[in-house]
Amino acid sequence: QVQLVESGGGVVQPGRSLRLSCAASGFTFSSFGMHWVRQAPGKGLEWVALISYDGTNEFYGDSVRGRFTISRDNSKKTLYLQMNSLRTDDTALYFCARGSRELDNWGQGTLVTVSS
Amino acid sequence: EIVMTQSPATLSVSLGERATLSCRAGQSVSSNLAWYQQKPGQAPRLLIYGSSARATGIPARFSGGGSGTEFTLTISSLQSEDFAVYYCQQYDSWPLTFGGGTRVEIK
Repeated sequence: QVQLVESGGGVVQPGRSLRLSCAASGFTFSSFGMHWVRQAPGKGLEWVALISYDGTNEFYGDSVRGRFTISRDNSKKTLYLQMNSLRTDDTALYFCARGSRELDNWGQGTLVTVSS
Repeated sequence: EIVMTQSPATLSVSLGERATLSCRAGQSVSSNLAWYQQKPGQAPRLLIYGSSARATGIPARFSGGGSGTEFTLTISSLQSEDFAVYYCQQYDSWPLTFGGGTRVEIK
């Protein structure tokens, strides 16, 4: 079955960087686009970024463009999110999800807390 | 970006009753709309894509409709496991955007 497991979250100071990972299994990773979506505590869902199946195309939400970079390593079946210049409003549970447009499988998320 | 507006924010429904949730797009998204269900402490689950197609394993009591700017998610007969928060999402243009959610609670 499809499994997505996020890691790399933690507590970080404003202005610092963090890299999240998402390990995929149970499907042909290199055939699917992949997303990051976040959810601030007690809030709704916010789409963060998408990378195409082959890594040639990337799309970002307005609030993270220029600070976050999505990437993937198909040989390792792993998705990444490099987060730079973190702000307190980046505090959220970060989910990875499979799909090109609609998101058909989700991981359980990794929590990122940005605080001084 | 396309703003997605869901109503109502909270819907109180009795077991076995019908629930109708609404989602409005700030501009036409054609049929490029999905619905998700999220229960406390869990990841969202895809229910509907393409406005009306049920995702794999989703019960027939869930149905979606609409196109352009107006969409609905209908749960024909609420079961206990259906009490959750529901989100719509457009994927017609970048950036992808979600609605603010509708919480379905027990009346």
